[in-house]
Amino acid sequence: GAVVSQHPSWVICKSGTSVKIECRSLDFQATTMFWYRQFPKQSLMLMATSNEGSKATYEQGVEKDKFLINHASLTLSTLTVTSAHPEDSSFYICSARGEETQYFGPGTRLLVL
Amino acid sequence: GQSLEQPSEVTAVEGAIVQINCTYQTSGFYGLSWYQQHDGGAPTFLSYNALDGLEETGRFSSFLSRSDSYGYLLLQELQMKDSASYFCAVRGGAGANNLFFGTGTRLTVIP
Repeated sequence: GAVVSQHPSWVICKSGTSVKIECRSLDFQATTMFWYRQFPKQSLMLMATSNEGSKATYEQGVEKDKFLINHASLTLSTLTVTSAHPEDSSFYICSARGEETQYFGPGTRLLVL
Repeated sequence: GQSLEQPSEVTAVEGAIVQINCTYQTSGFYGLSWYQQHDGGAPTFLSYNALDGLEETGRFSSFLSRSDSYGYLLLQELQMKDSASYFCAVRGGAGANNLFFGTGTRLTVIP
């Protein structure tokens, strides 16, 4: 089946720094990728929809200047958390739409100290 | 917007059958999906219903009633490894591409 990878799998950073998370569709092309955030024991919340070659579409309440999304190719989307703060600590999951269903990456656990 | 409600927790005995309900409200509806997520892991796709009725995939079945904005996931012959969180999700909103998740149900299977 289709595979989506994320890198890094976990990251610890200091408050105020920026962190980039990569999402790749390994064996299919994805014109659309999605970024979710999940806090402990809570549901996945859609942050934004990433479209190849165009600007991302952000959900209400998500700061586009803080969570920068770039969909540089049909197989790569990146999420950059700028000036990270402890409240940004979360599990970030990307997803890509395949032919039949939506495939999820393994997630990136971010801890901001 | 989208709203999906699920029971927060369910406990069932190994070998038994359990049903996890999901009620939804969405502007635009393109199907109801179910995902399983173990602690620390990514969601994995279980089932999808675009039309009313029952879809069966092995031990898992999913049901949809569009007129009632309701669906459920049925897990049969429960195994210990089925202990996980289960999410219903709808594809709706402004674009059919957007997948929105329910509140999630934590299933605990006991011996």
